[in-house]
Amino acid sequence: EVQLVQSGAEVKKPGESLKISCRASGYSFAAYWIGWVRQMPGKGLEWMGIIYPADSDTRYSPSFQGQVTISADKSISTAYLQWSSLKASDTAMYYCARGDGSYYTTPFDYWGQGTLVTVSS
Amino acid sequence: EIVLTQSPDFQSVTPKEKVTITCRASQSIGSSLHWYQQKPDQSPKLLIKFASQSISGVPSRFSGSGSGTDFTLTINSLEAEDAATYYCHQSSSLPPLTFGGGTKVEIK
Repeated sequence: EVQLVQSGAEVKKPGESLKISCRASGYSFAAYWIGWVRQMPGKGLEWMGIIYPADSDTRYSPSFQGQVTISADKSISTAYLQWSSLKASDTAMYYCARGDGSYYTTPFDYWGQGTLVTVSS
Repeated sequence: EIVLTQSPDFQSVTPKEKVTITCRASQSIGSSLHWYQQKPDQSPKLLIKFASQSISGVPSRFSGSGSGTDFTLTINSLEAEDAATYYCHQSSSLPPLTFGGGTKVEIK
């Protein structure tokens, strides 16, 4: 059974750093793209970026390029999303999701449960 | 960036009614359009991929159609459990692979 299990909720202050995780099981982690999707409170879904764990090929949305870093460790089947300096506007639910196909232009067929990040002074 | 415009934003529907949600792309995306369902406090769930391809385990009352710039998600004979927000998502172009703004379906 394919599963994506995300790390728990975080409460941080502006300016702090953060790395959240997404641990995959039930399939060959390196062979499928993993993407990250943001959902701000009461709002819609935003595609942030995606990584291919086999070779760490990463594509970012221009809106998030330079604001976050996506990475993956195929040895432990885990993808990461990190910030070096959080802002209050980063408060949101963040989902990881598996790409269905062999290229990054793919729908997401499995989703993690989400990680709520709250940034407040 | 390709913009996806969904309509309507909100729909209140009685059970067994047919629901139609449209998604218009700002430029042609072939059939690279997917539909998701998100229930309150849940993760999104893939319903339809590549405009009309069904997904294993998704009830057959959900169907998709369209190509190019105009796409439709149809829910035949709506059930109470279908109350959710529905999103379209395009995977045609260079990043970002955008989502539509969502359509909230409420059961009367």
